[in-house]
Amino acid sequence: NAGVMQNPRHLVRRRGQEARLRCSPMKGHSHVYWYRQLPEEGLKFMVYLQKENIIDESGMPKERFSAEFPKEGPSILRIQQVVRGDSAAYFCASSPNLGWAQYFGPGTRLLVL
Amino acid sequence: QQPVQSPQAVILREGEDAVINCSSSKALYSVHWYRQKHGEAPVFLMILLKGGEQKGHEKISASFNEKKQQSSLYLTASQLSYSGTYFCGTESGQNFVFGPGTRLSVLP
Repeated sequence: NAGVMQNPRHLVRRRGQEARLRCSPMKGHSHVYWYRQLPEEGLKFMVYLQKENIIDESGMPKERFSAEFPKEGPSILRIQQVVRGDSAAYFCASSPNLGWAQYFGPGTRLLVL
Repeated sequence: QQPVQSPQAVILREGEDAVINCSSSKALYSVHWYRQKHGEAPVFLMILLKGGEQKGHEKISASFNEKKQQSSLYLTASQLSYSGTYFCGTESGQNFVFGPGTRLSVLP
């Protein structure tokens, strides 16, 4: 049973470009969470999605950031017009249901030049 | 609202014990514990549900006092492999949030 997969593992973008991060949950998991982590800091919640629905996006900046989890395919976190402050590790996690154990992917390290 | 963790950091010698605390001002349904090693993804350790149960995972166990909205993680006879940052995560309603983490360093 494959774990949570994220790609790319590393992403370099110039200011103003778009970053698209993908997350494939574990088989049987319909809940996906996205977190951002700066070096030496904690996990900051961004958004919680269930298949085709955004359940909680209270941690996501209102502008430039969007997330989706379509019926088919991976969940995508999209950052438009990236700025240097967007540089961070972005982790996704999946679970079968809210409140169950979350299993994390390896993360995508985004570097904005 | 983010739970509070204490201590922020702790240094142990191999074989020593440690306790990490997590508390919330909100009524909690469950508390999760995760460990993250440097440069890696967080790894799930255990969940505690309402009911004040205590769970164990090898020499790592935890308790949950739902009246006080507090959980404690107990690490006994620590090993070098226990080093990392420990996060508690609290669930209340539709909301799940991680604490700021406790950095644990185990020295030989």
